[in-house]
Amino acid sequence: NAGVTQTPKFQVLKTGQSMTLQCAQDMNHNSMYWYRQDPGMGLRLIYYSASEGTTDKGEVPNGYNVSRLNKREFSLRLESAAPSQTSVYFCASSEFSGANVLTFGAGSRLTVL
Amino acid sequence: QKEVEQNSGPLSVPEGAIASLNCTYSDRGSQSFFWYRQYSGKSPELIMFIYSNGDKEDGRFTAQLNKASQYVSLLIRDSQPSDSATYLCAVNNENRDDKIIFGKGTRLHILP
Repeated sequence: NAGVTQTPKFQVLKTGQSMTLQCAQDMNHNSMYWYRQDPGMGLRLIYYSASEGTTDKGEVPNGYNVSRLNKREFSLRLESAAPSQTSVYFCASSEFSGANVLTFGAGSRLTVL
Repeated sequence: QKEVEQNSGPLSVPEGAIASLNCTYSDRGSQSFFWYRQYSGKSPELIMFIYSNGDKEDGRFTAQLNKASQYVSLLIRDSQPSDSATYLCAVNNENRDDKIIFGKGTRLHILP
């Protein structure tokens, strides 16, 4: 029972390089989310997807793109990485059951030099 | 103004005492309110959620919601050193969208 799986766990990039963070969930959840976490900033929503085929911007979408490939997978792409995107990224999924309770992945630590 | 506000702390509480964590939110249409706990270097995990005015209790944890004052709190009774963590408040307005917005979190330190 894997829950939410994120890859990679660690990545170092140079400014201007591109990369994709992968996220997959095996709980048959409809909604999926990408957050970033910086020291003292809590979790900030980048993008979310309420269902397969839909995506919406969150609080800090600039510099990112997402793809909801199917119900299980939601990827986050950095087209041209910048040092300001150095952060820990969390993927999460939810299924409404009284409330949208989030299940988080283990996180991906990204450093942009 | 951020949608969800929390005092960043650190909040230091003696072992065995009650820890009180507070959160205010700006969207009056918000319907669901969550408390997550995050240990250093780990993912957030749900403690509890609340969507009706009043109190909701789960073991040593009590969530309190006051929609008129746009205020939600978490009480931890009989605080233990293992409760030392960052506590994140989150809010969702399901009528508007599925966005779940977090506060910056409050660092709690239980003093042995």
